[in-house]
Amino acid sequence: GAVVSQHPSRVICKSGTSVKIECRSLDFQATTMFWYRQFPKKSLMLMATSNEGSKATYEQGVEKDKFLINHASLTLSTLTVTSAHPEDSSFYICSARDAGASNQPQHFGDGTRLSIL
Amino acid sequence: GQNIDQPTEMTATEGAIVQINCTYQTSGFNGLFWYQQHAGEAPTFLSYNVLDGLEEKGRFSSFLSRSKGYSYLLLKELQMKDSASYLCAVRAPGAGSYQLTFGKGTKLSVIP
Repeated sequence: GAVVSQHPSRVICKSGTSVKIECRSLDFQATTMFWYRQFPKKSLMLMATSNEGSKATYEQGVEKDKFLINHASLTLSTLTVTSAHPEDSSFYICSARDAGASNQPQHFGDGTRLSIL
Repeated sequence: GQNIDQPTEMTATEGAIVQINCTYQTSGFNGLFWYQQHAGEAPTFLSYNVLDGLEEKGRFSSFLSRSKGYSYLLLKELQMKDSASYLCAVRAPGAGSYQLTFGKGTKLSVIP
């Protein structure tokens, strides 16, 4: 079945550090990938839609200069949290949908738990 | 805008049946999904409805009524490992692509 790999699974770093998270579709091509954030005991909130070969589309309230998204190939999207601060600590999850199966569900990566000290 | 409602918490007994309801009002509709999420983990896909009716998948079934904006997830023969959050999500057109909008999730506790 469709598999999405997300790396790293956990990051602990100092305030001001930039953190890069990778999301890969392992056995399918994904023209679109999605980045979500989830705070403790809260729902998944869509941050941005990552489109291969074009600029990402950000949800209202998400700073595009803070959360840089690059989707350079059909199997890889990256999210970079620039100059991270403690309030950016959260669970970041990517998902992807098979470009050749529009009615299939999104599959999620295992998530990245980001802790900013 | 998108609005998805589901109960915050439910408790059920091992071996029993539980139904988790979800109502939605969305701009556009391209399918309703149910995901299971254990604490600290990413969601895993359970079921998908795009047409009205019941979809059965082992111990899990999901029902959809598009005219009522209503779905439910039915879990049979509950096991302790079914204790998790269950997320209802609606796919609808968004900026540039179809997007999933999630409800806040229903935390199910299965007790002996």
